[in-house]
Amino acid sequence: TQLLEQSPQFLSIQEGENLTVYCNSSSVFSSLQWYRQEPGEGPVLLVTVVTGGEVKKLKRLTFQFGDARKDSSLHITAAQPGDTGLYLCVPGGTYKYIFGTGTRLKVLA
Amino acid sequence: DADVTQTPRNRITKTGKRIMLECSQTKGHDRMYWYRQDPGLGLRLIYYSFDVKDINKGEISDGYSVSRQAQAKFSLSLESAIPNQTALYFCATSDSLRASTGELFFGEGSRLTVL
Repeated sequence: TQLLEQSPQFLSIQEGENLTVYCNSSSVFSSLQWYRQEPGEGPVLLVTVVTGGEVKKLKRLTFQFGDARKDSSLHITAAQPGDTGLYLCVPGGTYKYIFGTGTRLKVLA
Repeated sequence: DADVTQTPRNRITKTGKRIMLECSQTKGHDRMYWYRQDPGLGLRLIYYSFDVKDINKGEISDGYSVSRQAQAKFSLSLESAIPNQTALYFCATSDSLRASTGELFFGEGSRLTVL
């Protein structure tokens, strides 16, 4: 079973700050997905990255897939309270979806 | 209506009781999954199924069983519930035709409390 470690585990910041969360593994993946889970709801897909070194932007969120396709980062610019939630990474291209440990983000107004 | 529907949404039961959580989907996906989430933590895979005749154990299958009654239905059973099975349970689906980049679609969750 591949293990995806996410860091930090918890993060509490003020509105307007920037932040980066990480998803790391010793395994190589054909793709990697990021999901966000808001309180009381199921996770929702944010992005899928496929190519090593790929950068994708979703409004204030920037996702990067490592050159070696073993890790990924999510950078949020000018965080807002609506960004609050649990951020999860999971490798794609496998026959089952084993999620990373998650980063719980709280953005204070 | 939701594409992935879980019932019940909330359930309180006692130790030793048999509990079934049901999941149905209208997305036409062939793959279905059951996850468990404990407070403040991520998701752990319990069981997954790639079609009606295919059932596979996930990370934490002990104490659970599943049934894939039809392509659209996947049920999770706790034969004899215990308090440490108190958690939020999620069902999810995906499409094997998009296996390499396919999205997981989640239900709204079933909150189970075992007293």
